[in-house]
Amino acid sequence: EDKVVQSPLSLVVHEGDTVTLNCSYEVTNFRSLLWYKQEKKAPTFLFMLTSSGIEKKSGRLSSILDKKELFSILNITATQTGDSAVYLCAVANTGNQFYFGTGTSLTVIP
Amino acid sequence: DAGITQSPRHKVTETGTPVTLRCHQTENHRYMYWYRQDPGHGLRLIHYSYGVKDTDKGEVSDGYSVSRSKTEDFLLTLESATSSQTSVYFCAISRDRAQVAFGSGTRLTVV
Repeated sequence: EDKVVQSPLSLVVHEGDTVTLNCSYEVTNFRSLLWYKQEKKAPTFLFMLTSSGIEKKSGRLSSILDKKELFSILNITATQTGDSAVYLCAVANTGNQFYFGTGTSLTVIP
Repeated sequence: DAGITQSPRHKVTETGTPVTLRCHQTENHRYMYWYRQDPGHGLRLIHYSYGVKDTDKGEVSDGYSVSRSKTEDFLLTLESATSSQTSVYFCAISRDRAQVAFGSGTRLTVV
């Protein structure tokens, strides 16, 4: 059975802290891994990773994929209150199906 | 929301009634999906489509049917709504080898 597991389920940090969110997967015919941010509405796209060891970076957010160990991490440095959200990890297979984890809820306290 | 419109945005319905949710896209993307999102379960795939009249079941398809008669429209029908189908429903679209983009969601309450 294809599955995506995220940890931790929730996280509370203070502004300025650095956080690491984890995503492990077991998906047949892997094509790509994606990260999304969800506030009180639809998920919005952050990153898509297809190759191992190549870091994707956008401002204070970065992500890397390890296809041998079947996991990815999402790092957020110098967190701000606007980073508070649920972060979703998804894995796409070659049939263009997307499997989502249950998400990590991040709360950043001022 | 990437040219995706879901309707209605909110709906309250009674147990046993049929309900149809509509997803309309203006991106001409091939793939369309229906997900439901529930606390503790994340996003779960109900049905998806890879072209007009081409649909397939996802992991939680029981009690749901779909139709895609035009590229731009993907309908999700609950044949006889149950309280367990109370959820937030998201439509999503994707073109080949790209990320999936989501509509704004439909909050459905079955009483």
